[in-house]
Amino acid sequence: GAGVSQSPSNKVTEKGKDVELRCDPISGHTALYWYRQRLGQGLEFLIYFQGNSAPDKSGLPSDRFSAERTGESVSTLTIQRTQQEDSAVYLCASSTKQGSGTGELFFGEGSRLTVL
Amino acid sequence: DQQVKQNSPSLSVQEGRISILNCDYTNSMFDYFLWYKKYPAEGPTFLISISSIKDKNEDGRFTVFLNKSAKHLSLHIVPSQPGDSAVYFCAASAATGANNLFFGTGTRLTVIP
Repeated sequence: GAGVSQSPSNKVTEKGKDVELRCDPISGHTALYWYRQRLGQGLEFLIYFQGNSAPDKSGLPSDRFSAERTGESVSTLTIQRTQQEDSAVYLCASSTKQGSGTGELFFGEGSRLTVL
Repeated sequence: DQQVKQNSPSLSVQEGRISILNCDYTNSMFDYFLWYKKYPAEGPTFLISISSIKDKNEDGRFTVFLNKSAKHLSLHIVPSQPGDSAVYFCAASAATGANNLFFGTGTRLTVIP
């Protein structure tokens, strides 16, 4: 499809396991964002990519979280040694513009992570 | 620290009436504001935006009002339709230099047929 694609849509894992979440942005979108939404909370910024560099990682909650992006394409968010508080919907978004201030973000459907 | 606040978690409105969703922000550097709409099991989709140089932006049934002195914005939907039932997120950014949007916690709108 032409939209932002995320996989898996649902992931249930045991505490302490590592998980990888994948995002395929819209073709040609140079900017890519990861957000998460925990139950009852707003969308929480995690990291921003411009191309394959990440000028803003300020939202990553701990060093268990990391992300990478291949060129202006796929991004992977990795959570090591998952904890129950990591349970959330992880949303990926892409944009044509550098920085989100003047460009709308196109979101994927999200990956729901449940840590038991 | 929640820089964008939506104090009403839910709102119910009769079909055909006006829906008013409110949003407050604390960061005076914010100068661009957006509303996103989210259906269950889908990602948020952009609805309407407003720059701080304006106090009103209208797009069909949707109008966003910005009161900079009060650090308040609102989304008006009129007439409301059952298909408008969704969660609405307010978001803000400082257009210069910022790389991310700050989102509110959302307001769930239910339009009753």
